Amino acid sequence: GESVGLHLPTLSVQEGDNSIINCAYSNSASDYFIWYKQESGKGPQFIIDIRSNMDKRQGQRVTVLLNKTVKHLSLQIAATQPGDSAVYFCADENNAGGTSYGKLTFGQGTILTVHP
Amino acid sequence: GAGVSQSPRYKVAKRGQDVALRCDPISGHVSLFWYQQALGQGPEFLTYFQNEAQLDKSGLPSDRFFAERPEGSVSTLKIQRTQQEDSAVYLCASSPVETQYFGPGTRLLVL
Repeated sequence: GESVGLHLPTLSVQEGDNSIINCAYSNSASDYFIWYKQESGKGPQFIIDIRSNMDKRQGQRVTVLLNKTVKHLSLQIAATQPGDSAVYFCADENNAGGTSYGKLTFGQGTILTVHP
Repeated sequence: GAGVSQSPRYKVAKRGQDVALRCDPISGHVSLFWYQQALGQGPEFLTYFQNEAQLDKSGLPSDRFFAERPEGSVSTLKIQRTQQEDSAVYLCASSPVETQYFGPGTRLLVL
């Protein structure tokens, strides 16, 4: 079946470094992509999203890049802090067929560990 | 303001027991979703409500799983005759339009 997946299951960085988390998706009909952060014992927390008609979007310390040609999504975190340590998930929404109600398909997740 | 809340936060059930998991969405949110998250995996879609109408239940793994949202607010996910493979975190999310806001989840352990 079609799915969203991640290249790297773990990423370890030093505080202050920039982090890049990658995600590959297989559904060419996906038109909306979201990154979530999940800390232990908590639900996923929205970080940033991007639509398929864009290739880059910036937030506060985070940037999402979308390459539709190779079906690749990345999350860049600038000046990573210990508080950024968590599991990061990419998710996609396929609105083909008119089912535009936000049904998300999540990837497996990347564990980001930030060392002080 | 208050976010999405779920109860109980933890539930231990004996195999064969019925369980009910509650979700209180953010007030006024039309859309409500249930997801199942296995250990080390991303959440997987179970079912979707728009107000009180269950518009998509394609992700429910078996007929032992049942969800309702009778008044378009609080939702309950019920699992009958629980099995060990039902052990997971059950997440609820609500949305006013697009962005989904997740609750903390209910961790279910079936022994």
